[in-house]
Amino acid sequence: QQQVKQSPQSLIVQKGGISIINCAYENTAFDYFPWYQQFPGKGPALLIAIRPDVSEKKEGRFTISFNKSAKQFSLHIMDSQPGDSATYFCAASIRGGTSYGKLTFGQGTILTVHP
Amino acid sequence: DAGITQSPRYKITETGRQVTLMCHQTWSHSYMFWYRQDLGHGLRLIYYSAAADITDKGEVPDGYVVSRSKTENFPLTLESATRSQTSVYFCASSDGRGSGKNIQYFGAGTRLSVL
Repeated sequence: QQQVKQSPQSLIVQKGGISIINCAYENTAFDYFPWYQQFPGKGPALLIAIRPDVSEKKEGRFTISFNKSAKQFSLHIMDSQPGDSATYFCAASIRGGTSYGKLTFGQGTILTVHP
Repeated sequence: DAGITQSPRYKITETGRQVTLMCHQTWSHSYMFWYRQDLGHGLRLIYYSAAADITDKGEVPDGYVVSRSKTENFPLTLESATRSQTSVYFCASSDGRGSGKNIQYFGAGTRLSVL
């Protein structure tokens, strides 16, 4: 049962271009949506996160757009750089109750930025 | 070294053998998690723990056993390894308090091959 669906599986972008990765979720109880970045041979690391009370969050070149009614959120990487080449995972969790902050991850997107 | 460390980094074993993957964190985080990463599936939660002696099943617990006698350690045991358990395993920890509740910090992973 995949509660968070991520697309595309892989993405190739030229340096300076915009990278866009999309995710859709099913569980309306989710109230925290992070994106993790993973470089080869490393564990994932938190990149940026959003809560459903805002529609957009920007940190440097990275922006999350959130559409609560459509149950979708996306990551935009502006001015993509070769150093951004990595695997990106969207995730979702329920902050309260006994969820312990458990994360449900999307399938991942392998981003390659060509110089 | 401070942080979260996994050992071994690489392991090759045979079908039917018992294997234990180790995870150690120095932050005294309450919450710890085990994931497996497989292409096309993203990261799937195997087991998690809210504190010492408190553990619970995740999405894919079959064939795995965990224990947590000390806050800083969370070993994962494959009781009788199968080829389908060939994967990259990640351990993560989380503070579980305040704004940091949902931020998980990952180890570098253990690549396990079951022959």
